[in-house]
Amino acid sequence: DVKVTQSSRYLVKRTGEKVFLECVQDMDHENMFWYRQDPGLGLRLIYFSYDVKMKEKGDIPEGYSVSREKKERFSLILESASTNQTSMYLCASIDWGQGHRIGLGYGYTFGSGTRLTVV
Amino acid sequence: GESVGLHLPTLSVQEGDNSIINCAYSNSASDYFIWYKQESGKGPQFIIDIRSNMDKRQGQRVTVLLNKTVKHLSLQIAATQPGDSAVYFCAEESLRSAGGTSYGKLTFGQGTILTVHP
Repeated sequence: DVKVTQSSRYLVKRTGEKVFLECVQDMDHENMFWYRQDPGLGLRLIYFSYDVKMKEKGDIPEGYSVSREKKERFSLILESASTNQTSMYLCASIDWGQGHRIGLGYGYTFGSGTRLTVV
Repeated sequence: GESVGLHLPTLSVQEGDNSIINCAYSNSASDYFIWYKQESGKGPQFIIDIRSNMDKRQGQRVTVLLNKTVKHLSLQIAATQPGDSAVYFCAEESLRSAGGTSYGKLTFGQGTILTVHP
């Protein structure tokens, strides 16, 4: 089974700090994603990457950046953390290969999440 | 039930009952749909998926129904158990292009809270 690992379950950071959230997947997936999850708003896409060093903005990229230097690792960066970035952050990966385009059972795999509190 | 403000729809059932969780999706071009289960403090866990060329798919104790005419997706859980208590999300994937590459964009529903009483 694909394993998506987020390095921290809980983080507490101060306003203005630079914050790094790390995500690693072990199945050689090309495509990785960062979402944030907030009550009543569901999961919203921040950034995704479809290849090493490639990135695309999602629906709410403001205040965030990402880094994908290696295929297995996708980092989310909060350049200057603010209290409105307090949230649950979820990383996911998938292989958009032929299997996914026509098959079934290839649903995106999520990590366990990082709950970030900015004070 | 319908969501109001920040409140998620909720469904309460007795152990052993069948549960039906509904989801309306927004994009008629979406061609792949997934149901996820999320327990407290955990990430979403894949349950079952379906493609737009299907209207029904069955797994172990779960069935997904897709009605493209009204853009509606449902998840049926047979013989619901207390361990099924969680938030359930539907997600739709639509194809996009960027940098000469096709990729899918996943959009999630708000979720439904399922509570199973022993």
